[in-house]
Amino acid sequence: ILNVEQSPQSLHVQEGDSTNFTCSFPSSNFYALHWYRWETAKSPEALFVMTLNGDEKKKGRISATLNTKEGYSYLYIKGSQPEDSATYLCASNAGGTSYGKLTFGQGTILTVHP
Amino acid sequence: NAGVMQNPRHLVRRRGQEARLRCSPMKGHSHVYWYRQLPEEGLKFMVYLQKENIIDESGMPKERFSAEFPKEGPSILRIQQVVRGDSAAYFCASLGIAGQPQHFGDGTRLSIL
Repeated sequence: ILNVEQSPQSLHVQEGDSTNFTCSFPSSNFYALHWYRWETAKSPEALFVMTLNGDEKKKGRISATLNTKEGYSYLYIKGSQPEDSATYLCASNAGGTSYGKLTFGQGTILTVHP
Repeated sequence: NAGVMQNPRHLVRRRGQEARLRCSPMKGHSHVYWYRQLPEEGLKFMVYLQKENIIDESGMPKERFSAEFPKEGPSILRIQQVVRGDSAAYFCASLGIAGQPQHFGDGTRLSIL
């Protein structure tokens, strides 16, 4: 993996469904993996910063896991609500420092139907 | 505590003019990053500055683009002699301490006529 890649590109679910999406990133020179939630016409909102292999973080109904050896992270949303509709971005922070640039994936567009 | 402030929100320029985009980081943050989102593309890194110093400009076009973050005042991204291809959303982010996320502003939408 040379770039940060996210799948699927878009996802439509019904209210109450649980869903998950994937972020793949280069595992060499890895420092941190960031997840953001981005609503149209707003600024990206930070969800998680993850650094350790096997790390699992949770914020309400949203959780994320990290595998740095194989270079992937999963984001899970339990019991999706219409207000969860947004673009979910992951970004890799490489180069051995948390001050370095973020390399973003293209995002997963989630639409939750009432 | 105010978030990252960018202005203007929308900027229209004619080809050949200059565009100046401003970013005030969160209070206490000394690291500033600029990202660009071209139409139909994702966020791409442009430049990273830390008070008066450019740390990484590997994503910045070599010509017409410059950035600064003076000791006093906001960070400025300057685009000289704009062309249609510069039309994009430009986002600024700031960071305080290691291990924290970068906090983003609402962006400046630049349109070139």
